[in-house]
Amino acid sequence: AQSVTQLDSQVPVFEEAPVELRCNYSSSVSVYLFWYVQYPNQGLQLLLKYLSGSTLVKGINGFEAEFNKSQTSFHLRKPSVHISDTAEYFCAVSEESGNTGKLIFGQGTTLQVKP
Amino acid sequence: NAGVTQTPKFQVLKTGQSMTLQCAQDMNHNSMYWYRQDPGMGLRLIYYSASEGTTDKGEVPNGYNVSRLNKREFSLRLESAAPSQTSVYFCASRDRPSTDTQYFGPGTRLTVL
Repeated sequence: AQSVTQLDSQVPVFEEAPVELRCNYSSSVSVYLFWYVQYPNQGLQLLLKYLSGSTLVKGINGFEAEFNKSQTSFHLRKPSVHISDTAEYFCAVSEESGNTGKLIFGQGTTLQVKP
Repeated sequence: NAGVTQTPKFQVLKTGQSMTLQCAQDMNHNSMYWYRQDPGMGLRLIYYSASEGTTDKGEVPNGYNVSRLNKREFSLRLESAAPSQTSVYFCASRDRPSTDTQYFGPGTRLTVL
């Protein structure tokens, strides 16, 4: 079984500052890794994903994440945030084999960008 | 393309009542999913359907049933609603396995009194 832990429930940050949202996972099998974003009163949309290849993954809106297999982490970063980045961010994993696409989500991190 | 649509957007039920949440996608995806979102718990998978005609349980299936009516539609039924089922429910569909991206609907906010 897999589990995902997002280490911060809330991250306040000032506009134009850098931010890192932390995600650790646990799994006995190989996994795919995802970050989804949820804007207020909306569904989730994919920010970025790691399936294979380069461990540094770039996504939409200037976000990037690095897969670290030895530390079982997939932290999300942005060098300079905007007010519009205020949202809830979810880290998720799915089993590489089996191909069901079933996602296991972390608890979510609320990013609050202040002017 | 509308993507993934869900009805209704909001619903209030009394304990013991039944209802069906509807979900449809127009992206010709094979796989569809139902999740519930509760504060501090992220999203948890209730049921999924790998393809038309197949369904399987997720993490939290108790109290729910599903129907994959055709390739487009995947409904979630609460036979006898309980206050513990108060939640926001999201439907999602997945594009081909090689890209493995799920597309989410806008959600249904359900309150059970």
